[in-house]
Amino acid sequence: NAGVTQTPKFRVLKTGQSMTLLCAQDMNHEYMYWYRQDPGMGLRLIHYSVGEGTTAKGEVPDGYNVSRLKKQNFLLGLESAAPSQTSVYFCASSYGTRTGAADYGYTFGSGTRLTVV
Amino acid sequence: AQKITQTQPGMFVQEKEAVTLDCTYDTSDPSYGLFWYKQPSSGEMIFLIYQGSYDQQNATEGRYSLNFQKARKSANLVISASQLGDSAMYFCAMRDPLAGTALIFGKGTTLSVSS
Repeated sequence: NAGVTQTPKFRVLKTGQSMTLLCAQDMNHEYMYWYRQDPGMGLRLIHYSVGEGTTAKGEVPDGYNVSRLKKQNFLLGLESAAPSQTSVYFCASSYGTRTGAADYGYTFGSGTRLTVV
Repeated sequence: AQKITQTQPGMFVQEKEAVTLDCTYDTSDPSYGLFWYKQPSSGEMIFLIYQGSYDQQNATEGRYSLNFQKARKSANLVISASQLGDSAMYFCAMRDPLAGTALIFGKGTTLSVSS
């Protein structure tokens, strides 16, 4: 099925460990996004990409790095995990600039639940 | 900068009743779009309804409608005839043209529907 696939779905890390979350989309979307969701905070934008080879910081970028070497993939890295990074991470993708209605085609992955102990 | 405010942390409603979930927004962009998403306990984000700032009529999708009051900068979600399956977290969101059109979200409202 077409959509956004996130791997892994669950992960437990020890403080100081590193890991990479993978997001893959097969809809040929130009834009991709990483969010984190914490209780009572909604979804907050970590980093985003408007095309292959480009990345930019969102609202809460500290402690994370991203890369988009291929249009269909957007990787989120934690170099040295901290307990404050315990969260649910969502990847999303969309078309670029559109006019009119909700035709940006925002599509979300199913999320990655990360616990840092 | 764009901002979305949802002031109701939790709402309670009985089956078959209507419920309104509040959302106010702030933007200096003359052209913008507002979204509502549902997040059930399983965690996925489900798109419900969209309203464009230049749309002449309020958006409707089945039991969902959007009460869009541009002058008040509000975009409230109305769910008619609530069902048990409507129990979930609901998020209001807006496109942020300064962040690659990323969606920015409010903090959400938890809706609980009882029989």
